[in-house]
Amino acid sequence: EVQLVESGGGLVQPGGSLRLSCAASGFTFSRYCMSWVRQAPGKGLQWVANIKQDGSEKYSVDSVKGRFTISRDNAKDSLYLQMNSLRAEDTAVYFCARDIENFRPPYYYYYMDVWGKGTTVTVSS
Amino acid sequence: EVVLTQSPGTLSLSPGERATLSCRASQTVSSSYLAWYQQKPGQAPRLLIYGASSRATGIPDRFSGSGSGTDFTLTISRLEPEDFAVYYCQQYGSSRFTFGPGTKVDIK
Repeated sequence: EVQLVESGGGLVQPGGSLRLSCAASGFTFSRYCMSWVRQAPGKGLQWVANIKQDGSEKYSVDSVKGRFTISRDNAKDSLYLQMNSLRAEDTAVYFCARDIENFRPPYYYYYMDVWGKGTTVTVSS
Repeated sequence: EVVLTQSPGTLSLSPGERATLSCRASQTVSSSYLAWYQQKPGQAPRLLIYGASSRATGIPDRFSGSGSGTDFTLTISRLEPEDFAVYYCQQYGSSRFTFGPGTKVDIK
């Protein structure tokens, strides 16, 4: 069964740090780009960051640039999000998701087809 | 940066009725980069439609997507009780994803 399981969430003070993990199983992790997506309480979905299959390219939303770092360990089938200088507005459920980059000539298709259940991050004093 | 707008914000319908959800982009989006997701309370999003009109694996055929350019539509032909949820459109561009704010479909 294809599965993503997030962990590492919790309560942290403003300015603090947290490292989220996402364990993948049931598929060849190294073949896929991966993303982190978050959802603040009662709000919509916000894409946070993604990383290419070999980790050579990483992209993130402007609001987390310089504070969050996405990484992966293909030997461990794991995705990570290092979050530093946390703010109250970073409070959210954080989901990891498998990105699909699918070429069916003549088009490329991009979407997220597998999601974890999420881990909750609360930034509060 | 492409901004997605979804309308209406809330759609109140009865089981068996047809639901039509709109997603409008601030600039032209490739149809192959447009997807729709369903999310129920306390759950992760679920992929419904990719490439604007292709149903994901296991998605019932009452769900259909259409559109091109800047205007895209998700249609649920006959609402089942399990379809009451929030629906998000998503686009991909410049190696980044963007989500719309969502449309909540609730029971009238």
